[in-house]
Amino acid sequence: QVQLVESGGGVVQPGESLRLSCAASGFTFSGYAMHWVRQAPGKGLEWVSFIGDEERSTLYVDSVEGRFIISRDNSKNTVYLQMNSLRPEDTAVYYCAKVGEVRTTMGYFDLWGQGTLVTVSS
Amino acid sequence: DIVMTQSPDSLAVSLGERATITCKSSQSVFYSSNNKNYLAWYQQKPGHPPNLLIYWASTRESGVPDRFSGSGSGTDFTLTISSLQAEDVAVYYCQQYYGIPWTFGQGTKVEIK
Repeated sequence: QVQLVESGGGVVQPGESLRLSCAASGFTFSGYAMHWVRQAPGKGLEWVSFIGDEERSTLYVDSVEGRFIISRDNSKNTVYLQMNSLRPEDTAVYYCAKVGEVRTTMGYFDLWGQGTLVTVSS
Repeated sequence: DIVMTQSPDSLAVSLGERATITCKSSQSVFYSSNNKNYLAWYQQKPGHPPNLLIYWASTRESGVPDRFSGSGSGTDFTLTISSLQAEDVAVYYCQQYYGIPWTFGQGTKVEIK
């Protein structure tokens, strides 16, 4: 079954860290770039981070640059988001998403996970 | 950054009637070298992740009912639901994948009148 399953969300205090995981199955994971997208409660979608199919390329939205690190382990079919120095404004459901075309950077997102909730609160 | 602006923010349409959502980008998302518009539409139902409906501005994703259609080019795009069904109640987002950062419209909530 083609799917993405996120895990690792939870409640943390400001300044703390969290690592999200996204396990892929049902497709050749190593051939596809991946993204993290977040959605604050009651709000719209915000792109957070990108990683290329071979991990040579990573990108971040300005608001998380220097705090978040995206990585992937193609042997485990998993993409990660290490979130450091968390702030209350990082509170959101975090989705991982797969790019729709193989070995493509600028692509649409054709498969999304169910999301994992991150709450940053004192 | 490319700013995506959708209109309206919400709309109520009777069952079986047409629903139209527009999306305007702050700069063209048309790439002339491959003649493609880097524009996608997603549907998000409450409590669920977004679901891809349309990509390359007008290509329907596999399994998406043909009452959903996308059109437009350059900076102006439209998502049309030709005959609204109860299961189409959702928030719809446009997204550009032409420039970095990838950006989404603010969303349009579609309800039944």
